[in-house]
This record gives sequence, C-alpha cells and structure tokens, in this order.
Amino acid sequence: QEQLVESGGGLVKPGGSLRLSCAASGFTFSDYYMTWIRQAPGKGLEWVSYISSSSSYTNYADAVKGRFTISRDNAKNSLYLQMNSLRAEDTAVYYCARRKGYFYYMDVWGKGTTVTVSS
Amino acid sequence: DIQMTQSPSYVSASVGDRVTITCRASQGISSWLAWYQQKPGKAPKLLIFAASSLQSGVPSRFSGGGSGTDFTLTISSLQPEDFATYFCQQANSFPLTFGGGTKVEIK
Repeated sequence: QEQLVESGGGLVKPGGSLRLSCAASGFTFSDYYMTWIRQAPGKGLEWVSYISSSSSYTNYADAVKGRFTISRDNAKNSLYLQMNSLRAEDTAVYYCARRKGYFYYMDVWGKGTTVTVSS
Repeated sequence: DIQMTQSPSYVSASVGDRVTITCRASQGISSWLAWYQQKPGKAPKLLIFAASSLQSGVPSRFSGGGSGTDFTLTISSLQPEDFATYFCQQANSFPLTFGGGTKVEIK
C-alpha cells in the first residue's frame, strides 16, 4: 500500500525554525518527484515546493523562497522541508505528495502535519 | 502566476442530483488540469487528471471536461460519500495553483 506519513509539525515562535519529514512506503520512492503543499486553516491549497527524484532540481513558491529548503534521502525513503524564519502566515497543515508520473498532478498524499507559528 | 477561479463556491444538492462545478484559468493551460476531492480533516484525493482522465479507483460517476481556460467537473448522480470540497489545480506552469474550492453540501 502506497503511503506517505508526515511528522515534525508543532508550535513555533515567529522567526523560528522547524524541519518537517515525510516517510514513504509501498512504492519505489527514488523513482518519483515529490512535493510539499500546504493549507492554511479554513483556506485552499497552496503549492510550496518540489524536488526531483535525484534531488537535481528543486523549485519553490515565491512566498517561501529563501526561507524553506526541500531535500530528500532516497536511502531512507524520506522527504524533508527545512523551514526557517517562520512567519504567522506559514501557519498551515503541510502535506507531502507524490507527483504522478511525468506530470504535476499529485496522486498520493500524506495525512498532513500541522505547523502553527505564534508568539 | 495563473489564477484559477472556481464556481460556485458552494453547492447544495440532494443524493441522486447531477452536479457540475466550473474552473476557469486566467490564461490557457491546454488540458493541464486536475480535480481533487477533500473531506474534512483529510488529505485531498486525486479524481481527474489531464482535464478528463479518471484516476484509478475513482467511480465513473465523476467526469471532467474542457480545455484551454474553461473546465468542468461533473458528478452524474451524487452519492452520500461525495459530499466534500472539490479543488481544481493547473499543472501547466509554476507556481502550481489551485482554485478556491467548491463545497458540496447536502440539501
């Protein structure tokens, strides 16, 4: 069964840092591009970042560029999101999701981890 | 950035009804569009990709159409498990963007 499980969320003060993890199982993780997508409370979905299967390519939304870093460890079947200089507007549920084949549709999602940025 | 506008934002419907949701892109995206279903407290689920292709395991009462800037998601006969929020997403260019969502509620 293809599965993604996020962890690492929590309460952090503005300006603080947090590292999210996403553990993959049930599929060959190293074959897939992966993404992070977030959803602020009561709001819609916002794409955050993607990383290629071999980590050669990454891309970020303007709202997080320079503050967030996506990475992966294929040997550990894990995806990461290092979040620095956190702001209140980064408060959201963060989902990791797998890209479907060669196209940017997300066909496997984790259940999400909640990040709250507040003093 | 490509803006995705969904309408309506809210639909009240009964079991067995036919429901159509519209998504409009601010510029042409060919058929690079997906539809997702999200239930409260759950992750989104891919329903339709490439505007009209049904994701494996998704019931055939769901269908998608359109190309260019105007797209539709149709549920041919609404079932109790279909009450949820639906989002469209363009996959034409970065940043990937989503519509604001359409909540389908029980009449």
